[in-house]
Amino acid sequence: DVKVTQSSRYLVKRTGEKVFLECVQDMDHENMFWYRQDPGLGLRLIYFSYDVKMKEKGDIPEGYSVSREKKERFSLILESASTNQTSMYLCASSLATRRTGAYNEQFFGPGTRLTVL
Amino acid sequence: QKEVEQNSGPLSVPEGAIASLNCTYSDRVSQSFFWYRQYSGKSPELIMSIYSNGDKEDGRFTAQLNKASQYVSLLIRDSQPSDSATYLCACWRGYQKVTFGIGTKLQVIP
Repeated sequence: DVKVTQSSRYLVKRTGEKVFLECVQDMDHENMFWYRQDPGLGLRLIYFSYDVKMKEKGDIPEGYSVSREKKERFSLILESASTNQTSMYLCASSLATRRTGAYNEQFFGPGTRLTVL
Repeated sequence: QKEVEQNSGPLSVPEGAIASLNCTYSDRVSQSFFWYRQYSGKSPELIMSIYSNGDKEDGRFTAQLNKASQYVSLLIRDSQPSDSATYLCACWRGYQKVTFGIGTKLQVIP
């Protein structure tokens, strides 16, 4: 089974702090994703990575950056946390995106509920 | 028009009935379709994938795909209270673009 883990389940930070969220997958997947999920808005893609050191912006990248130094690890960074970044953050991974079918099944970590005060 | 549309619900069904969850998508190039179940406070869990027109069955779950109508559905037979959750429809239309619907909340009444 694919296992995706996230560094924290709950996190409380203050406005202006730098926040690191970490995600690790153990299935040698090429692709990793960061989403945020808010009531009424659904899942929104922040950034994704299709290879080590490669990243692409998703739908809402403003205020976030990412890092992928190793294939199994994908970090989301909030450079200066703001209250509107209070949300559930979900990491996911998939085998590949350039092929159809099961290669694009995404598997999610347990999520990090971030509160910015 | 949203790329993936679902009725947010809640959809209420009695225990033992068939729950029918529906999803439409706007992009005809969508190739792969997924259903996720998400319990309150938890992360989405993949339960079904479907790639070609027709039905795909897995236990009590049946996914149905009609690409001509741009419609995908999930049927849950013999619904149980433990099936109460939000069900997310997702479509892959090439490269990195997996788009999720907002989800339909299902309530199974004992």
